[in-house]
Amino acid sequence: DAGVIQSPRHEVTEMGQEVTLRCKPISGHNSLFWYRQTMMRGLELLIYFNNNVPIDDSGMPEDRFSAKMPNASFSTLKIQPSEPRDSAVYFCASSRGAYSSSYNEQFFGPGTRLTVL
Amino acid sequence: AQTVTQSQPEMSVQEAETVTLSCTYDTSENNYYLFWYKQPPSRQMILVIRQEAYKQQNATENRFSVNFQKAAKSFSLKISDSQLGDTAMYFCAFMKHGVTSGSRLTFGEGTQLTVNP
Repeated sequence: DAGVIQSPRHEVTEMGQEVTLRCKPISGHNSLFWYRQTMMRGLELLIYFNNNVPIDDSGMPEDRFSAKMPNASFSTLKIQPSEPRDSAVYFCASSRGAYSSSYNEQFFGPGTRLTVL
Repeated sequence: AQTVTQSQPEMSVQEAETVTLSCTYDTSENNYYLFWYKQPPSRQMILVIRQEAYKQQNATENRFSVNFQKAAKSFSLKISDSQLGDTAMYFCAFMKHGVTSGSRLTFGEGTQLTVNP
């Protein structure tokens, strides 16, 4: 069984460029989460989707960030224009459901290390 | 809002010895989950152990066990018979429980554990 797939694994870009990070959740999972990890702020949730619908985007830092989930098997996180302070590791995670009376484990992808010069 | 605090940025232990990592949290919720995640140098996030707040019995997973003190809002991780492969960053995390709250994870700052031969 394939886990959560993220691409690219590493991205180096220049300030001002558009960056698109991609995520394929585990088949059958209907919740998807984007987290960002930095030295200064640690691990923080940016946005999460349930059944392809954004539920909570309060963690998205600013309008330069946008996320989409056009179908159950694909999500993107876009930064436009990128800035050096966006340099971080971006994780995607998926689980069987965000709304449940029982526990649903989140499975994390390998992360994308983004460097903005 | 929930907060999770790990007051030990770094810890070290000799191989085969026991080490305890500390975590405290703050919440007004009564039903929730607590987790310890391991992040080795590969940066993959790996679930080590979880605890349901409504369970008084402390969770155990092989060499890993927790000391959950709900009234004190404390959740420590004990690693017995430490192995070199336990060297990693360890994150304590909180998740609310319930059909309307979603399942976002709130992470602590992390504790870098080094197991010395």
